[in-house]
Amino acid sequence: ILNVEQSPQSLHVQEGDSTNFTCSFPSSNFYALHWYRWETAKSPEALFVMTLNGDEKKKGRISATLNTKEGYSYLYIKGSQPEDSATYLCAFRTGGFKTIFGAGTRLFVKA
Amino acid sequence: DTAVSQTPKYLVTQMGNDKSIKCEQNLGHDTMYWYKQDSKKFLKIMFSYNNKELIINETVPNRFSPKSPDKAHLNLHINSLELGDSAVYFCASSPGGAVPRYQETQYFGPGTRLLVL
Repeated sequence: ILNVEQSPQSLHVQEGDSTNFTCSFPSSNFYALHWYRWETAKSPEALFVMTLNGDEKKKGRISATLNTKEGYSYLYIKGSQPEDSATYLCAFRTGGFKTIFGAGTRLFVKA
Repeated sequence: DTAVSQTPKYLVTQMGNDKSIKCEQNLGHDTMYWYKQDSKKFLKIMFSYNNKELIINETVPNRFSPKSPDKAHLNLHINSLELGDSAVYFCASSPGGAVPRYQETQYFGPGTRLLVL
């Protein structure tokens, strides 16, 4: 059974704080790790696709790192804003069609 | 224009009924998916079709039957609904072709909230 775990489950921060959360995944049969951002009442939207050990991706104030040998990825948000409030999902891909999602980290940013 | 659309958005029905949820994508994608968001908020894959061909069929009760009349549509029919079928069902699509499958981003619909009474 392939498990993808995200921690923490939820996180409350103040506007301007920087924050990070973790996605843990199987270190074998790794092909890709995806991060999605899911705002309430909307659909998940892609943030990053990461495939290589040591990958770092950045989009504005959000960045992510990848360690495939130990099976984790970190998502960082610098200077959190209220509009960053959302659930952040990671998803593990093997070589086939299947995607295994974590349960997400729910981020609340207070103004 | 909504890229991936699902109808209906909300569905309230009685146990034992048969219902369908429709999904359409206007992105020209080859692959479509159905996910169920379970009580712990995980998105669990149910089915996937690539070019109208079933490629993923997870351990789902055979009361659930997907149908893909063409590449742009993937419908989900549920027979004899049970209380445990209450969940949010998400449709998604991905491009197919240009990049390796595992690098493809999935585009999600807005979800259908099903409540079985």
